[in-house]
Amino acid sequence: AQTVTQSQPEMSVQEAETVTLSCTYDTSESDYYLFWYKQPPSRQMILVIRQEAYKQQNATENRFSVNFQKAAKSFSLKISDSQLGDAAMYFCAYRRANFGNEKLTFGTGTRLTIIP
Amino acid sequence: NAGVTQTPKFRILKIGQSMTLQCTQDMNHNYMYWYRQDPGMGLKLIYYSVGAGITDKGEVPNGYNVSRSTTEDFPLRLELAAPSQTSVYFCASSSTGTSGTFKYNEQFFGPGTRLTVL
Repeated sequence: AQTVTQSQPEMSVQEAETVTLSCTYDTSESDYYLFWYKQPPSRQMILVIRQEAYKQQNATENRFSVNFQKAAKSFSLKISDSQLGDAAMYFCAYRRANFGNEKLTFGTGTRLTIIP
Repeated sequence: NAGVTQTPKFRILKIGQSMTLQCTQDMNHNYMYWYRQDPGMGLKLIYYSVGAGITDKGEVPNGYNVSRSTTEDFPLRLELAAPSQTSVYFCASSSTGTSGTFKYNEQFFGPGTRLTVL
């Protein structure tokens, strides 16, 4: 079974600084997707960024980027120029890349606090 | 488009009571899912459906039932509520690619239902 581990229950960063959230996963599959979701106090799950395992290039979305290390099964999220609106729970998630199996497996989350 | 909507937003149940959590999507997605999120934890899959009339169990299906009579609706039924079912419940939907190919499609989440069983 696939597992996703987030070892940092809480992180904090000064506004405008950079922070990195860690995620490791375990799978025997060679093709899969990895995601970072943001959950603000409103509870809404918001997709931040995704990475296809077969792509070596790390995904980037504006201030958000990932460091995907397939051999190490590591998938960290870097937030640059942190803003107050980035404060939220962040979940790492995994999904096999086969047709008809869309289940997401989530980590336990990291609570990110932005210090003004 | 309203996306994925869930009702109610909040509910308190007594032990042994029953209720149905409603989920509707207006994006014509064929896949729909129910997740639960316990305090301090990530989401876990309860049930999912690949289309009208087809449902299957996820990681934590015990104590729940689902049905999918239409593409739009995917209700989750709790028959005998227990304190262990106190959680936030999320419904999500996604579409799939054409037959024989795989195309990633994002899961869109509803706003959640906070359920407390006392």
